[in-house]
Amino acid sequence: GAGVSQTPSNKVTEKGKYVELRCDPISGHTALYWYRQSLGQGPEFLIYFQGTGAADDSGLPNDRFFAVRPEGSVSTLKIQRTERGDSAVYLCASSPGQGRDTQYFGPGTRLTVL
Amino acid sequence: QQQVKQSPQSLIVQKGGISIINCAYENTAFDYFPWYQQFPGKGPALLIAIRPDVSEKKEGRFTISFNKSAKQFSLHIMDSQPGDSATYFCAASGLTGAQKLVFGQGTRLTINP
Repeated sequence: GAGVSQTPSNKVTEKGKYVELRCDPISGHTALYWYRQSLGQGPEFLIYFQGTGAADDSGLPNDRFFAVRPEGSVSTLKIQRTERGDSAVYLCASSPGQGRDTQYFGPGTRLTVL
Repeated sequence: QQQVKQSPQSLIVQKGGISIINCAYENTAFDYFPWYQQFPGKGPALLIAIRPDVSEKKEGRFTISFNKSAKQFSLHIMDSQPGDSATYFCAASGLTGAQKLVFGQGTRLTINP
């Protein structure tokens, strides 16, 4: 079956611009996660959705970052007033439910802020 | 504060050898310890995972050894193959903080033919 998909695969933007990154989880998965992976580092947690609600947003670095999942499926990560330090690969993962399920990762969106 | 420390940063092993990657954690609330494999341009993929009620778990050529008292766990890859060349991440999660994974910094493994 189809895995987690993310679009775009690459995004280049200028400092100060607004960007949206999209995640399509595996069909039927109720849990969705966003992570950020800087070059040469492990992924860092940003936010976790259970259904439509953000159950844990403790990893969002500041109020320029926001994520939504209005219908409990597709999620969008939104970054306002981008900064060069936001450049990274943004990974999305989904899992079947609330239990300690395997997280399935998408290929990521590589964001470059010039 | 880095909660999961991984070593070495890079590792070169000859084909057929044993690859060993180590991780140490600080938070005693962690109770789930997965290892992920990542190829360039791809997302991480779960390789094997362990919970602290067992000291070892084996799946094919991959084994996790877990030492709860030392707060350490390691990945052993037996009969390493060139196709195993990838970056490996250990991770941990606990009962609090939902299901979020805390990752180590990664180990770039190269298997020489």
